[in-house]
Amino acid sequence: QQQVKQSPQSLIVQKGGISIINCAYENTAFDYFPWYQQFPGKGPALLIAIRPDVSEKKEGRFTISFNKSAKQFSLHIMDSQPGDSATYFCAARGDRGKLIFGQGTELSVKP
Amino acid sequence: AAGVIQSPRHLIKEKRETATLKCYPIPRHDTVYWYQQGPGQDPQFLISFYEKMQSDKGSIPDRFSAQQFSDYHSELNMSSLELGDSALYFCASSVGTGVTEAFFGQGTRLTVV
Repeated sequence: QQQVKQSPQSLIVQKGGISIINCAYENTAFDYFPWYQQFPGKGPALLIAIRPDVSEKKEGRFTISFNKSAKQFSLHIMDSQPGDSATYFCAARGDRGKLIFGQGTELSVKP
Repeated sequence: AAGVIQSPRHLIKEKRETATLKCYPIPRHDTVYWYQQGPGQDPQFLISFYEKMQSDKGSIPDRFSAQQFSDYHSELNMSSLELGDSALYFCASSVGTGVTEAFFGQGTRLTVV
């Protein structure tokens, strides 16, 4: 049973456009929601994260929107660039710090 | 800044062999997590250690064992390797369990032939 569901599985965006990736979770005990960016053959790199008592967090071109009542959160990448092409994973932190990942979104930004 | 170091980066083993993967956490990080990522899959939690004690256990096969040493580095031991064990194995470290962000290493790509 996938505790964190992520969509879409793949996304193609034009350079300068907005990329939006959505996640939904089930366990209300999750206390921290990070997004990771992963390039092929590399480890996941922390991009941005949010706690459930905050509805939005922005860092540069990256914004997380968090809806606690709906148990949903999303990543918005503004002014998407070809260098943003990577796989993005949402995650939720459970007890004792373990991360539960979504299935991943393969983002391709076309020049 | 120092990052999580994993070794080796690549490993090729035959079926039924054993493998040992090493993880060196960021200095002053006392918690280590191990994850397995199959091709096109999301990382799956295997096991974690806090202050040299096992903290949590996920979907880790009985053929695998791990420990954290006095210098906080960790080793994942894998025996009786199967073709299905071929995957990327990531280690992450943090301060405490659920206190700070977890940072991932570059991973070890294990190929079982």
